Amino acid sequence: QVHLVQSGAEMRKPGASVKVSCKASGYTFTRYAIHWVRQAPGQTLEWMGWINPDNGNTKFSQKFQDRVTITRDTSASTTYMELGSLRSEDTAVYYCARDRSITARFLLYFFDYWGLGTLVTVSS
Amino acid sequence: DIQLTQSPSFLSASVGDRVTITCRASQGISRYVAWYQQRPGKAPQLLIYAASTLQSGVPSRFSGSGAGTEFTLTISSLQPEDFASYYCQYLWTFGQGTKVEVK
Repeated sequence: QVHLVQSGAEMRKPGASVKVSCKASGYTFTRYAIHWVRQAPGQTLEWMGWINPDNGNTKFSQKFQDRVTITRDTSASTTYMELGSLRSEDTAVYYCARDRSITARFLLYFFDYWGLGTLVTVSS
Repeated sequence: DIQLTQSPSFLSASVGDRVTITCRASQGISRYVAWYQQRPGKAPQLLIYAASTLQSGVPSRFSGSGAGTEFTLTISSLQPEDFASYYCQYLWTFGQGTKVEVK
């Protein structure tokens, strides 16, 4: 059974950075891309970027590309999303989600499994 | 960038009602449209992908259709667990959401 288990809630001050993890199980980790999506309170979903766990290739939304890093540890089947230069508007629930494509080389942007989400609160 | 506009933003309905949600794209797009359901405090769940393909495990009362710039999600007979928010998606863009509430 596929599971994406995310790290716990975080609180940061403006200007700091946060790193959220997403541990995959129940499938071959390197075969499926992982996306990161966030949702501010009362708002819609916002795509941030993806990583190909097989080769580490990444792509980011232009909105975040200057301050987001997505990495992976294949030995731990874990993906990490780090967002820097935090501001209050970054307060949101951050989700990892698996791309439905059976190869990470060709993405569908259909997210068939999601983590439960990690609340990141940015406040002074 | 392509914009997705969902209508309505809010919908009041009763159990057993037929519900239709529309997603309009700012320009013609392929059938790479997905629909998600999100219950309060929960992660989104994939319902429909490629505009009309039902994700495994999703009840058959959910269906999707459309092409070009207009896509629809239909719930044939609303159940109590269907009161939630629904989002359409094309690649990295999501619609603003439709909240289905109890009438």
